[in-house]
Amino acid sequence: NAGVTQTPKFQVLKTGQSMTLQCAQDMNHNSMYWYRQDPGMGLRLIYYSASEGTTDKGEVPNGYNVSRLNKREFSLRLESAAPSQTSVYFCASSDLGANVLTFGAGSRLTVL
Amino acid sequence: GQSLEQPSEVTAVEGAIVQINCTYQTSGFYGLSWYQQHDGGAPTFLSYNALDGLEETGRFSSFLSRSDSYGYLLLQELQMKDSASYFCAVKQDSNYQLIWGAGTKLIIKP
Repeated sequence: NAGVTQTPKFQVLKTGQSMTLQCAQDMNHNSMYWYRQDPGMGLRLIYYSASEGTTDKGEVPNGYNVSRLNKREFSLRLESAAPSQTSVYFCASSDLGANVLTFGAGSRLTVL
Repeated sequence: GQSLEQPSEVTAVEGAIVQINCTYQTSGFYGLSWYQQHDGGAPTFLSYNALDGLEETGRFSSFLSRSDSYGYLLLQELQMKDSASYFCAVKQDSNYQLIWGAGTKLIIKP
């Protein structure tokens, strides 16, 4: 049982480049999330998808786009990366409305 | 504004008991969660309190007082593997946005 799988685990980009972070879950959860975590800070929600076919902005959506491809997959795209987007990104999924989140292992992104 | 406050660091001795506090100020409240995160790892769920009182799960317990906007995580019989950061998070309404504290780094000494 893999849980939540994110790819890639590490990525280095130059300013202005684009990339997509992939996330898949095999727990049949309805809801999926993308968070970023910066040193000394808690998690901040970028976007979430309450159910297949819906997406909503979180606390820090600027500079990102998302796609809920199907019930299993939720991708995060950076169209034009900026150094301020250097962070660790976590995908998570849940059922029952965010009472219990299961996180992926994280993707460490560096933008030069 | 909305905020969660927890100590940045707590130190304890192996075998002892430690309490990590979390006070919150949010526009709404549905429940308080606790997550554990080891260095370089992913957050993992520990507990969720929607009602006042103490919830016990093995060596870990979580307490909530909604009237005081306060909760804590209690870790007993500390083991070296409990060295990690602990985050509290508030679910403030029926949507899916959690508000997270900045985390408490728990250092355990032998």
